[in-house]
Amino acid sequence: DTGVSQNPRHKITKRGQNVTFRCDPISEHNRLYWYRQTLGQGPEFLTYFQNEAQLEKSRLLSDRFSAERPKGSFSTLEIQRTEQGDSAMYLCASSLGRSDTQYFGPGTRLTVL
Amino acid sequence: AQSVAQPEDQVNVAEGNPLTVKCTYSVSGNPYLFWYVQYPNRGLQFLLKYITGDNLVKGSYGFEAEFNKSQTSFHLKKPSALVSDSALYFCAVRDNDAGNTPLVFGKGTRLSVIA
Repeated sequence: DTGVSQNPRHKITKRGQNVTFRCDPISEHNRLYWYRQTLGQGPEFLTYFQNEAQLEKSRLLSDRFSAERPKGSFSTLEIQRTEQGDSAMYLCASSLGRSDTQYFGPGTRLTVL
Repeated sequence: AQSVAQPEDQVNVAEGNPLTVKCTYSVSGNPYLFWYVQYPNRGLQFLLKYITGDNLVKGSYGFEAEFNKSQTSFHLKKPSALVSDSALYFCAVRDNDAGNTPLVFGKGTRLSVIA
């Protein structure tokens, strides 16, 4: 399978704990995006990388959120001190360039108890 | 600022009938427009896009969409619906003249095709 992969697919955690998600983009895609999707809503942009550089962050990305793409390949999204409002589907997408189609992974569903 | 409106939360259609899922958008510059489909517990799957050129765009699984600049619309259509088309459909837009702007999605329209 050469699509975008995300791990884990599901994560249940208690409020206050830290969680980390991983995204592996399509090989050779230099752009990688993170989105958050809550029930009944479309995906909302969080941040994106071009190679290893994080170029833009949404105001939705509070100080508790951090994303990295250390070698320009896979990316991680960490949420510290999780809150119940962080419960959502976290989607990763990749594209070859700025104007190209973004291809999405299956998502990581986070539930904060 | 960019925005997308999908005015219908739910569309019901009988199998074999034509379907339309509506989308209108707002951007300052030239729009890039996309349609994605989402099946339960899955990520978004790309259907089609409009960048420039012919206003009628053909995509995967027999879907097509028509770009209408004067009405700022990009409605998704299919001549004959299948039960397997039942899913959540998202329209998205990006302002191509506004630098590195992200995709902005609508809230989605749930399509239900009844046998």
